[in-house]
Amino acid sequence: AQKITQTQPGMFVQEKEAVTLDCTYDTSDQSYGLFWYKQPSSGEMIFLIYQGSYDEQNATEGRYSLNFQKARKSANLVISASQLGDSAMYFCAMRESSGGSNYKLTFGKGTLLTVNP
Amino acid sequence: NAGVMQNPRHLVRRRGQEARLRCSPMKGHSHVYWYRQLPEEGLKFMVYLQKENIIDESGMPKERFSAEFPKEGPSILRIQQVVRGDSAAYFCASSPWVRETDTQYFGPGTRLTVL
Repeated sequence: AQKITQTQPGMFVQEKEAVTLDCTYDTSDQSYGLFWYKQPSSGEMIFLIYQGSYDEQNATEGRYSLNFQKARKSANLVISASQLGDSAMYFCAMRESSGGSNYKLTFGKGTLLTVNP
Repeated sequence: NAGVMQNPRHLVRRRGQEARLRCSPMKGHSHVYWYRQLPEEGLKFMVYLQKENIIDESGMPKERFSAEFPKEGPSILRIQQVVRGDSAAYFCASSPWVRETDTQYFGPGTRLTVL
């Protein structure tokens, strides 16, 4: 089974509107971390936001927020007031605590976001 | 504080040649990770190193691939006798600690093309 599932290969949004990128995960661990990274066309991986499994509040970083629903095992990224520069590939990733390998990031296949003017 | 540095950014090799990819972690980070990204895929873990130690190389192909992180100098990912299937983007990441809550910061990647 996929550990990280991103069901939207591509998404379109109008500039200045909000967009939600979906991410569901599969783990039996109690302690884990969820991350979102942005990969623009230039190719680098840029860290956006982090949510810990024990965090009671949803994480926010500027225009990015994470809609964390633990019971549903989902960690959707919300980008408010989209900008043209937000056009990029977005990856959801998870680190689990079990098995002594709590350093491995497991990535989803990504969602390509296009912001239209 | 400089970020994670990788060089070269682009590397072209012919089949059978060797590829050497370098990674300098962020200052103060002693944990280094290598990931590989095949076209239209997410990143896949290859190896985790601390200074002079390979901690986990379970994601690395057993043949032709090796990694090191010497006491002095950058971490090196070495691919011997490259084949076309090795064409990919190779990312290095670093972190100051190893906890599931810790963020890994990525370098810009090295794009390897095997002709």
